[in-house]
Amino acid sequence: GQNIDQPTEMTATEGAIVQINCTYQTSGFNGLFWYQQHAGEAPTFLSYNVLDGLEEKGRFSSFLSRSKGYSYLLLKELQMKDSASYLCAVRDENYQLIWGAGTKLIIKP
Amino acid sequence: SQTIHQWPATLVQPVGSPLSLECTVEGTSNPNLYWYRQAAGRGLQLLFYSVGIGQISSEVPQNLSASRPQDRQFILSSKKLLLSDSGFYLCAWSSQGLAGSDTQYFGPGTRLTVL
Repeated sequence: GQNIDQPTEMTATEGAIVQINCTYQTSGFNGLFWYQQHAGEAPTFLSYNVLDGLEEKGRFSSFLSRSKGYSYLLLKELQMKDSASYLCAVRDENYQLIWGAGTKLIIKP
Repeated sequence: SQTIHQWPATLVQPVGSPLSLECTVEGTSNPNLYWYRQAAGRGLQLLFYSVGIGQISSEVPQNLSASRPQDRQFILSSKKLLLSDSGFYLCAWSSQGLAGSDTQYFGPGTRLTVL
């Protein structure tokens, strides 16, 4: 079966750095996405990785290792507005997105 | 730029009543369209997707149905709602084609409560 694993919840301090991990087992691989979802709102696109390595976008970076079936989202200089759920999704061999349950990130002052 | 609309934003319906949720996309042609459901604290469950007018693929057998009467309109329906249909319903679009990088963009969602 296809599976995406993420921690259910994480807590971090304002101004700090946090790494949210995602491991996946899917039939084929055609890219990995990270989305941010604030409570009660729709997910918004953050990043896309298809090749191994690190992609940096301002305070957010996303890393992929295809051989390990592993990705992480790195958030630097945390702000209170970063409190949200972070969803990992993998596009499989049929180009369908397989979604993780999301990681709820709580930022404390 | 592209915009995706959903309505209504919230809905409270009794068990056994019908349902119709609408989604429209502006600023793009021939998009792929998707209906997802998100139960509280859970991941996104793909319900239906469409690659063109009248073309609907169902991912999960249930009492819901979808239709695409126009290129940029996607409708989710039910004849009789169940308690288990409660959730956050999200419509999304992506560019036509099979590029792995095609990003899905979500509408604001409809929060449905079935009582």
